[in-house]
Amino acid sequence: KAGVTQTPRYLIKTRGQQVTLSCSPISGHRSVSWYQQTPGQGLQFLFEYFSETQRNKGNFPGRFSGRQFSNSRSEMNVSTLELGDSALYLCASSLSVDTGELFFGEGSRLTVL
Amino acid sequence: GESVGLHLPTLSVQEGDNSIINCAYSNSASDYFIWYKQESGKGPQFIIDIRSNMDKRQGQRVTVLLNKTVKHLSLQIAATQPGDSAVYFCADRLGGSRLTFGEGTQLTVNP
Repeated sequence: KAGVTQTPRYLIKTRGQQVTLSCSPISGHRSVSWYQQTPGQGLQFLFEYFSETQRNKGNFPGRFSGRQFSNSRSEMNVSTLELGDSALYLCASSLSVDTGELFFGEGSRLTVL
Repeated sequence: GESVGLHLPTLSVQEGDNSIINCAYSNSASDYFIWYKQESGKGPQFIIDIRSNMDKRQGQRVTVLLNKTVKHLSLQIAATQPGDSAVYFCADRLGGSRLTFGEGTQLTVNP
């Protein structure tokens, strides 16, 4: 069974631009969550989706948004990029919403110049 | 604020020894804890979880201990192997898939 797939793996943007990251969950997984990982802040929760509905949102500004499609694939968008948005963005999927067993992708490494 | 934290940022052990990675939490309401392993260039990988109605849970070469009295949990890895070298995170769950991760402990296994 294929794992969680994230695209693109690496990208470079400049301040003020926007970016869209994509995530394909494991087949059959309907819950998708996103995390930001930085050396300074560690792993921080961004949002969680289940059946196209956002169930939880972390403490990030409104520039960070996401959505989930009917096939469970998810995208997250960051608008008006700032230098501090440089990070590894990780997507995770799970079979249900009542589990801590998340299956993470390898992440999208965003660099903002 | 952060509700889980690790005691040591790095841990170095000899191959074949047992490793113990510690974690403390502050929220008395936390009732579900999870350990993840992250190898370089990869996403975190689930190792084992434990709910607050248990004080010990065992997996393959791993044991998690939970002490609710002092709000402490530990991950024990038996017969540590070079492939165990990674960053280990403890996390608690606030609800759904919303996990709060600790800072991580870098485990280095020396041959």
